[in-house]
Amino acid sequence: AQSVTQLDSHVSVSEGTPVLLRCNYSSSYSPSLFWYVQHPNKGLQLLLKYTSAATLVKGINGFEAEFKKSETSFHLTKPSAHMSDAAEYFCVVSDPTANFGNEKLTFGTGTRLTIIP
Amino acid sequence: KAGVTQTPRYLIKTRGQQVTLSCSPISGHRSVSWYQQTPGQGLQFLFEYFSETQRNKGNFPGRFSGRQFSNSRSEMNVSTLELGDSALYLCASSLGGAVYGYTFGSGTRLTVV
Repeated sequence: AQSVTQLDSHVSVSEGTPVLLRCNYSSSYSPSLFWYVQHPNKGLQLLLKYTSAATLVKGINGFEAEFKKSETSFHLTKPSAHMSDAAEYFCVVSDPTANFGNEKLTFGTGTRLTIIP
Repeated sequence: KAGVTQTPRYLIKTRGQQVTLSCSPISGHRSVSWYQQTPGQGLQFLFEYFSETQRNKGNFPGRFSGRQFSNSRSEMNVSTLELGDSALYLCASSLGGAVYGYTFGSGTRLTVV
């Protein structure tokens, strides 16, 4: 069974300072991992994905994440926060099954990121 | 190119009624998944369709059903609505699986009164 734990329900940072959103996963297989962002009253936007290629993944809007198998972590970082980064962030794991493409996504509980002006 | 389109954006229904939600995936995407988002339970997987076949199903009662048409558009139906069905229902489309990533629509917000 797959699961994902977002270690912080709420993170506050000042504008211009680094952002770190933490995620740990559990998976029986080699997982695919994603970070999605959700702005208020909007759908989910894909920030980045890891699918067993390079362990450091670069995404949109300056975000990146590093897959660390030994630590079962996939933390999201950004060097300098912007006011527009304020949103809910979801870490997501997908386990490949015997049938390629027959995966479902398991979401973390989300981290609300607040940016202090 | 057009994204994932969900209609309607908002719905208010009465307990006991049924409702049908629609999702049009990105052109060329054959996989459509549905998720329910609530403050208490977060985002939960409902089901996934690929080429008109349900490939995967979450742990929801039989009142929740879906289907996919030959043009990959998908509908989700909830019968005998309960207050607890109030949620944001999100649809995601993909070329065919996780390696391709999933694109989400803006959702349908269902309120059951």
